Amino acid sequence: IAGITQAPTSQILAAGRRMTLRCTQDMRHNAMYWYRQDLGLGLRLIHYSNTAGTTGKGEVPDGYSVSRANTDDFPLTLASAVPSQTSVYFCASSDLLSDTQYFGPGTRLTVL
Amino acid sequence: AQSVTQPDIHITVSEGASLELRCNYSYGATPYLFWYVQSPGQGLQLLLKYFSGDTLVQGIKGFEAEFKRSQSSFNLRKPSVHWSDAAEYFCAVGAYLNYGGSQGNLIFGKGTKLSVKP
Repeated sequence: IAGITQAPTSQILAAGRRMTLRCTQDMRHNAMYWYRQDLGLGLRLIHYSNTAGTTGKGEVPDGYSVSRANTDDFPLTLASAVPSQTSVYFCASSDLLSDTQYFGPGTRLTVL
Repeated sequence: AQSVTQPDIHITVSEGASLELRCNYSYGATPYLFWYVQSPGQGLQLLLKYFSGDTLVQGIKGFEAEFKRSQSSFNLRKPSVHWSDAAEYFCAVGAYLNYGGSQGNLIFGKGTKLSVKP
């Protein structure tokens, strides 16, 4: 069982480019989340999805979009990347009955 | 709105010494509380969680945490630290009230980095 996979592991991106970070889970969890982690700021929620077909905004949603076409996948898209989006991005999922989140290994994104 | 405060940014302890990492939360109801650990370059791993019941919670790797409602605290403890415990530790609270009652969202503290001296 892989749990949660994220791709790519790391990426350097020119400002203004479009980028999609991929997240796939094989635990059949209802809910999925995207966080960014920045030094001194901890983890901040970008977007979440309680179930396939629904999404919601977190604490820092501006500049990001998500979709949830099925249970397993939850891609995060930066339509036009800016340097302030340089961060480590973590995807997570949870079973709504247990309320425990499980995290992927992260994607390190650098926007130049 | 919910919030989590971890007052200590960085703590250094000697191997074999006891450890306590502090966490204070703000929440309008009975909180769901979590401690996660992040090793360098890795994702977050759940150490333990409190939902209800016994206020002393046992977790993995010999860690425990105690929920104290009167102090709005959920401090993490370990009686004897090992060098492999060096990592960053995050306290989190369930953020249901922040997001329209949606389940599962967490608000994280900013983390405490633990260094272990040989």
